[in-house]
Amino acid sequence: AQSVTQLDSQVPVFEEAPVELRCNYSSSVSVYLFWYVQYPNQGLQLLLKYLSGSTLVKGINGFEAEFNKSQTSFHLRKPSVHISDTAEYFCAVSLGYSSASKIIFGSGTRLSIRP
Amino acid sequence: NAGVTQTPKFRVLKTGQSMTLLCAQDMNHEYMYWYRQDPGMGLRLIHYSVGEGTTAKGEVPDGYNVSRLKKQNFLLGLESAAPSQTSVYFCASSPLAITSRGGELFFGEGSRLTVL
Repeated sequence: AQSVTQLDSQVPVFEEAPVELRCNYSSSVSVYLFWYVQYPNQGLQLLLKYLSGSTLVKGINGFEAEFNKSQTSFHLRKPSVHISDTAEYFCAVSLGYSSASKIIFGSGTRLSIRP
Repeated sequence: NAGVTQTPKFRVLKTGQSMTLLCAQDMNHEYMYWYRQDPGMGLRLIHYSVGEGTTAKGEVPDGYNVSRLKKQNFLLGLESAAPSQTSVYFCASSPLAITSRGGELFFGEGSRLTVL
């Protein structure tokens, strides 16, 4: 069975510092990978996704993620965070075959930015 | 620029009461989903629909029913609410199958339900 593990439930960083949010998944078949962001009192919105091709994926707001098949990881990075990046970030994985329900979300990582 | 709209945004119920959450999308999406979000557990799929008139069970369907009579609307019903159903509920839609074609999910702002 597939699963998604976000290793850190909370990540505090100082403004303008770099950040990495970790995500590991388990699956024996090919997958699609996503990062979603949830700002306070809002729904989730897509940051970036990996479907195929280049393993380095760039998303909105300066975020990027790297797909590492051998490590089954899809870590999210930003070289310099801003106060407005304060949010909860969810990693998600879906299997690469037809089944509308098969998307699994991680438990989320709360990113808090200190001035 | 509505996207996905959920009503109501907040509701307090007593155990045993019933209610319906309404989700409406104006993007002509085929696929619609209901998730619940609980602290430390991420999002869990309750029910989903791959088109008008169709519904299917997700990961945690017990205690919920759904209907999709019109393409743009997806209703989530609780027939007899229980405290374990206290949660934040999110509706989402997608133009493509989220698995076979990597479709993006578009979420509503959530409905916070408390069952006393």
